Amino acid sequence: ETGVTQSPTHLIKTRGQQVTLRCSSQSGHNTVSWYQQALGQGPQFIFQYYREEENGRGNFPPRFSGLQFPNYSSELNVNALELDDSALYLCASSVIRDSRYGYTFGSGTRLTVV
Amino acid sequence: AQSVTQLGSHVSVSEGALVLLRCNYSSSVPPYLFWYVQYPNQGLQLLLKYTTGATLVKGINGFEAEFKKSETSFHLTKPSAHMSDAAEYFCAVSDQAGANNLFFGTGTRLTVIP
Repeated sequence: ETGVTQSPTHLIKTRGQQVTLRCSSQSGHNTVSWYQQALGQGPQFIFQYYREEENGRGNFPPRFSGLQFPNYSSELNVNALELDDSALYLCASSVIRDSRYGYTFGSGTRLTVV
Repeated sequence: AQSVTQLGSHVSVSEGALVLLRCNYSSSVPPYLFWYVQYPNQGLQLLLKYTTGATLVKGINGFEAEFKKSETSFHLTKPSAHMSDAAEYFCAVSDQAGANNLFFGTGTRLTVIP
């Protein structure tokens, strides 16, 4: 069984640009969550998608948006990039939207905004 | 609201010594608690979790943690440190409702001295 894969692994963008990050969930998982991990910090919840609908959102502005596709893969889109958006973006998938069953994390996409 | 405090951003132990990483949580509902490990340039790997039942939880790589409700703690221990244990460790609590998202602490970097 494959795990969670994220692409690209690294990305450099200019302030004001837009970026799309991609995530393929683990086989059999229908829920995808996105987290932002700034340097030296713990991951912070951005939002979760369950059956192609947003199912909860953290304290992030609307310029952070997402999609989930019928195959349960997901995209994170960030518009009008700011320097503070530089971080490791982690995708996590799970069987259902219940943390008791655990989340499987990908290796992340490191975004640098210059 | 849920939150996690990890005491000690850096912990150093000698190889073969006891590892103790501290985690205290705040939760308005019975918590689900987790420990994750992150190696350099990688995502998060689940070490162990507490959901219900036995309060002493055993995980991978010889780690264990004990849920103490009266102390609101979930400290991570390992009897004998190995060089391969050097990594960043994150404690997390789940909100158990809605998105079931994880609230992470700021992490503890473990260094193992040969």
